[in-house]
Amino acid sequence: AQSVSQHNHHVILSEAASLELGCNYSYGGTVNLFWYVQYPGQHLQLLLKYFSGDPLVKGIKGFEAEFIKSKFSFNLRKPSVQWSDTAEYFCAVNPDSSYKLIFGSGTRLLVRP
Amino acid sequence: DTGVSQDPRHKITKRGQNVTFRCDPISEHNRLYWYRQTLGQGPEFLTYFQNEAQLEKSRLLSDRFSAERPKGSFSTLEIQRTEQGDSAMYLCASSGLGDSDYGYTFGSGTRLTVV
Repeated sequence: AQSVSQHNHHVILSEAASLELGCNYSYGGTVNLFWYVQYPGQHLQLLLKYFSGDPLVKGIKGFEAEFIKSKFSFNLRKPSVQWSDTAEYFCAVNPDSSYKLIFGSGTRLLVRP
Repeated sequence: DTGVSQDPRHKITKRGQNVTFRCDPISEHNRLYWYRQTLGQGPEFLTYFQNEAQLEKSRLLSDRFSAERPKGSFSTLEIQRTEQGDSAMYLCASSGLGDSDYGYTFGSGTRLTVV
């Protein structure tokens, strides 16, 4: 079955630390890849997406993600986190360009000021 | 249009009762999706519509669940004979044409508690 794995369920960082959140998916065909963010008390928002082309994609608020096809990975990175990045982050996959998204279980990030 | 609206925000119901949720998508979006999210999990796909046609349903959507989008605009999700296991956040999302097709806009969700 298609699945998305997010390795870290909880991450705690101090401000200015670098962030990398892991995401692996199990699907051998064509995929579209996404990262969504949910700030406390808010709805899910799209952070960035990969369809094709340059495997390094840049999103909002200084986030970026790298698609490594050979590793079935799409890790999220940010060089220097801020307290306002405290949120839950979800990786999602769109297999075979279907409109259905398969989400990982999420990573809760807490950034300490 | 400020986004995807869901109503109600919270619903508490007794086991065995029926509940209905409403979703108003972004007006120019022709695709509408329902997801369910439980504590500590990511959203799980339930069903999706393109205009008024329901094109895909998850196995999670038992026969107690039904969704409609009669005029291709708003959608309703009904759960009959609710069970405690139905307690979850029910999320609606919509998407439109073009590059933004795969980037959903989510609503704030309806939190269902079955007691």
